[in-house]
Amino acid sequence: GAGVSQSPSNKVTEKGKDVELRCDPISGHTALYWYRQRLGQGLEFLIYFQGNSAPDKSGLPSDRFSAERTGESVSTLTIQRTQQEDSAVYLCASSSPGLVFDEQFFGPGTRLTVL
Amino acid sequence: AQSVAQPEDQVNVAEGNPLTVKCTYSVSGNPYLFWYVQYPNRGLQFLLKYITGDNLVKGSYGFEAEFNKSQTSFHLKKPSALVSDSALYFCAVSRLSGNTPLVFGKGTRLSVIA
Repeated sequence: GAGVSQSPSNKVTEKGKDVELRCDPISGHTALYWYRQRLGQGLEFLIYFQGNSAPDKSGLPSDRFSAERTGESVSTLTIQRTQQEDSAVYLCASSSPGLVFDEQFFGPGTRLTVL
Repeated sequence: AQSVAQPEDQVNVAEGNPLTVKCTYSVSGNPYLFWYVQYPNRGLQFLLKYITGDNLVKGSYGFEAEFNKSQTSFHLKKPSALVSDSALYFCAVSRLSGNTPLVFGKGTRLSVIA
């Protein structure tokens, strides 16, 4: 596709349920990032994948959060036993390989509401 | 640790007037600085970046930003604001070269009034 896509665009769930969010990066982009944007806040880094290297999970807020990436394509972010404070927009971004710092291309986000 | 401060939650400017959205950063080593814009119900869009070289960086939609090392600032500017520039603007920084996660400011909402 032409850009980063995310699904679903909106997700409403009940507290305690598990959710899976999907990200399709731009083809050929080896780097993939997940960020969280709470209402009125900036973006918080969650997790970062770069090629076949071990992911940087330093931003994950708790062990209820996990993410996987299949090769250099689709990634899923899973939140187990959701809590109301998990309500946010979850943004995925990808960037191309290279030594020069390339801009990150963002998807439209998934708005998660935990009731 | 790296950090970014956007001291203004909201900036209002009349159409046709110059605009400035402020950003200051804190990072050890050389900073890599970015501005992104978020329009309603849309994802973030890249505006411009400073990696090295000229302190004045020109970007999309007529925006520019000036890197000031002594003041640790990277303010976003445009000579003549348009109503369509109304959006949420984010400054971001990384201290590492290559593809690495960014640290974002909290954002500044720009309203351009006709």
